[in-house]
Amino acid sequence: DQQVKQNSPSLSVQEGRISILNCDYTNSMFDYFLWYKKYPAEGPTFLISISSIKDKNEDGRFTVFLNKSAKHLSLHIVPSQPGDSAVYFCAASVGGGADGLTFGKGTHLIIQP
Amino acid sequence: GAGVSQSPSNKVTEKGKDVELRCDPISGHTALYWYRQSLGQGLEFLIYFQGNSAPDKSGLPSDRFSAERTGGSVSTLTIQRTQQEDSAVYLCASSSDRGEEKLFFGSGTQLSVL
Repeated sequence: DQQVKQNSPSLSVQEGRISILNCDYTNSMFDYFLWYKKYPAEGPTFLISISSIKDKNEDGRFTVFLNKSAKHLSLHIVPSQPGDSAVYFCAASVGGGADGLTFGKGTHLIIQP
Repeated sequence: GAGVSQSPSNKVTEKGKDVELRCDPISGHTALYWYRQSLGQGLEFLIYFQGNSAPDKSGLPSDRFSAERTGGSVSTLTIQRTQQEDSAVYLCASSSDRGEEKLFFGSGTQLSVL
């Protein structure tokens, strides 16, 4: 039972354009959402998060949007840069705390020059 | 240390052998987590430590898996009688407190069971 779904295993975007990574969840109790970024042979690193009391959170080139009614969140990267090429994991938790953190399978973002 | 350190970075073993994977978290981090990533899968939660105790072992896939943490610092994940389906990247992460979702991950141990 996959509670956090990233339905696109990979995404290719041209440098300078917007990258949009999508994530859907099934557990309506999730109230905190995070995105992690992972380079090959490295561990994931925290990128950005959003609480369910918000519908948008922005940090530089990265913006996360949350649509609670649709149980959907997305990560926007604009403009996309070559260094953004990585695997992006969506994660969600109930009531805070990483022991309940559920991860999606990840989306491999490829930024083309 | 500056970050979460895991050793070995790669481990190749034969089916049926035992393996030990080590994690050295960020100094002062009380919460420690083990995850596993099998090929084409997301991060699968295995076990969580708060200090030396493990309040949540729900993710351990079988009784062949065990973990301990000593001195509130280093943790060891042991897999006994390894099977081919145990092949995966085993990731350790730490955070300053249980309530902190922002985990700091190590680079992982790539385990291959032949």
